[in-house]
Amino acid sequence: ILNVEQSPQSLHVQEGDSTNFTCSFPSSNFYALHWYRWETAKSPEALFVMTLNGDEKKKGRISATLNTKEGYSYLYIKGSQPEDSATYLCAFCEYNFNKFYFGSGTKLNVKP
Amino acid sequence: DTGVSQDPRHKITKRGQNVTFRCDPISEHNRLYWYRQTLGQGPEFLTYFQNEAQLEKSRLLSDRFSAERPKGSFSTLEIQRTEQGDSAMYLCASSLDTGSGELFFGEGSRLTVL
Repeated sequence: ILNVEQSPQSLHVQEGDSTNFTCSFPSSNFYALHWYRWETAKSPEALFVMTLNGDEKKKGRISATLNTKEGYSYLYIKGSQPEDSATYLCAFCEYNFNKFYFGSGTKLNVKP
Repeated sequence: DTGVSQDPRHKITKRGQNVTFRCDPISEHNRLYWYRQTLGQGPEFLTYFQNEAQLEKSRLLSDRFSAERPKGSFSTLEIQRTEQGDSAMYLCASSLDTGSGELFFGEGSRLTVL
């Protein structure tokens, strides 16, 4: 079982604050790194799929970077809004592309 | 709605009973995954199918767990002789086996074993 770690476990911020989370994964046999957002009572939804070292992706106020050589990815949220409150999961996929290993997630709570 | 659907959404059962969950993936997706998620943890891999073939099963799963995907369409996950430790959210996801491999999840089936 591969170890995928996320930090922090939880985060409480005020509306308008910017924040970032970390996902650490094995630096060998890399195939892909995914970020998912999981809102309460809904299904997890993909935010980003990243495959290349140095990838930077952006969707609105949310962006992510990838460093496959050192085995980490950052997720940034600029100007957090209450609707950003969710659990953010990262998932690592090995070279053989058969299954994803998830971190335990970062639970974000944005207070109005 | 053409997303992934799971049934039932909630299941409460007594210890020792058998339970079965169903997952209907997105129709053109040939990969189907089952994950289990417990409080404070991330989704844990259980098994996955490529079409109708079950290609991998977690060594964490006991023999009480079995999954099928007849004809490469919907899938069922059965848990026999449930134990309290089986209480969890069971998530199904589907994807294509090409491209980004993005997972599309259902809303999950929450199992409570009394």
